[in-house]
Amino acid sequence: AQSVTQLGSHVSVSEGALVLLRCNYSSSVPPYLFWYVQYPNQGLQLLLKYTTGATLVKGINGFEAEFKKSETSFHLTKPSAHMSDAAEYFCAVSFGSARQLTFGSGTQLTVLP
Amino acid sequence: NAGVTQTPKFQVLKTGQSMTLQCAQDMNHNSMYWYRQDPGMGLRLIYYSASEGTTDKGEVPNGYNVSRLNKREFSLRLESAAPSQTSVYFCASSEWDRVVYEQYFGPGTRLTVT
Repeated sequence: AQSVTQLGSHVSVSEGALVLLRCNYSSSVPPYLFWYVQYPNQGLQLLLKYTTGATLVKGINGFEAEFKKSETSFHLTKPSAHMSDAAEYFCAVSFGSARQLTFGSGTQLTVLP
Repeated sequence: NAGVTQTPKFQVLKTGQSMTLQCAQDMNHNSMYWYRQDPGMGLRLIYYSASEGTTDKGEVPNGYNVSRLNKREFSLRLESAAPSQTSVYFCASSEWDRVVYEQYFGPGTRLTVT
């Protein structure tokens, strides 16, 4: 069965610093990978997704993620954090034509002034 | 387009009471989903509906029932609420984009069972 692990339930960075949120997956078949963001008291919004092709994926709000098959990872990065990036971030995986998503447990990002 | 809408936004129930959470989408999607979100556990799938007239169990279906009323609406019912069902409930819908099903989420319903 597939699974998703997000390392670090809480990450704090200073405004302007690099954001790195970690996601690893386990799967016996090629995955489709997603990052979602959840602002306080809101639903989830898609940041970016990897399906096929280029392994470096660019998303909204300056975020990007790189699919590394050898490391079974899909870490989310942003070069310079803004206060508005404070939110919870979820990594998720699906496979083939499956409709279901499997979510990681989430990482709460705090941006310090 | 409103996207995915959910009602109510907040609800407090006593143990044993019943209620129905409503969800509607205006994106003409075939597939709809119900998740629950608990601290430190991410989102877990309760039920989903691949298309109008079909429903399937997800990871945590016990204590819930669903109805796909039509293509737009997918409701979640708690017949006899328990404190363990205190959670935030999200509805989502999706459509095949030629490669993958991309899900769109509603704003959530925060349910407390006392």
